[in-house]
Amino acid sequence: RKEVEQDPGPFNVPEGATVAFNCTYSNSASQSFFWYRQDCRKEPKLLMSVYSSGNEDGRFTAQLNRASQYISLLIRDSKLSDSATYLCVVKGDRDDKIIFGKGTRLHILP
Amino acid sequence: ETGVTQTPRHLVMGMTNKKSLKCEQHLGHNAMYWYKQSAKKPLELMFVYNFKEQTENNSVPSRFSPECPNSSHLFLHLHTLQPEDSALYLCASSQIKAYNEQFFGPGTRLTVL
Repeated sequence: RKEVEQDPGPFNVPEGATVAFNCTYSNSASQSFFWYRQDCRKEPKLLMSVYSSGNEDGRFTAQLNRASQYISLLIRDSKLSDSATYLCVVKGDRDDKIIFGKGTRLHILP
Repeated sequence: ETGVTQTPRHLVMGMTNKKSLKCEQHLGHNAMYWYKQSAKKPLELMFVYNFKEQTENNSVPSRFSPECPNSSHLFLHLHTLQPEDSALYLCASSQIKAYNEQFFGPGTRLTVL
């Protein structure tokens, strides 16, 4: 099983729709979880951290399910500008053990 | 001044060349990272420096040599690279704490001929 797995997509979603994708991780000792966003030919940027209690920031909601070892990202009322690749990041029990998923490509259609 | 800067932004080099990538962070962070991003592969962590000390080397070939003279600067020295080393090389920085956000530079797109 890969350390961090994501559905590569692409997810083609009409503007205004709700879209969700998951990321599974293999190391049950993982401590921290993040969603990053990467636009085409740009660097990754932090979208949001994922806390045990869940995290909501505007149209974005991230959740953690430790029992099933996955995190999720929900985007409501999607905008054209949400089109990007969303990277799942899992940090282990050491500060320097950071694993990126391959990313999920999202295309918001007008 | 943007948070993390990288130079050069693009680099084309032959297999016998020696070149260096530079990264500078203006965020007061105490950890810096080198990543490699190849097409259709996830970001691969190459090196980690905490407080200028290298704490991670993820089985990176010796033709890649990092240098961290202080907590604001990070270099990646390249020599006798292979065509498969062509990729986007990203530098990042963060604070060292349990929930730390990494800030990435724009990357250096490297092509090895």
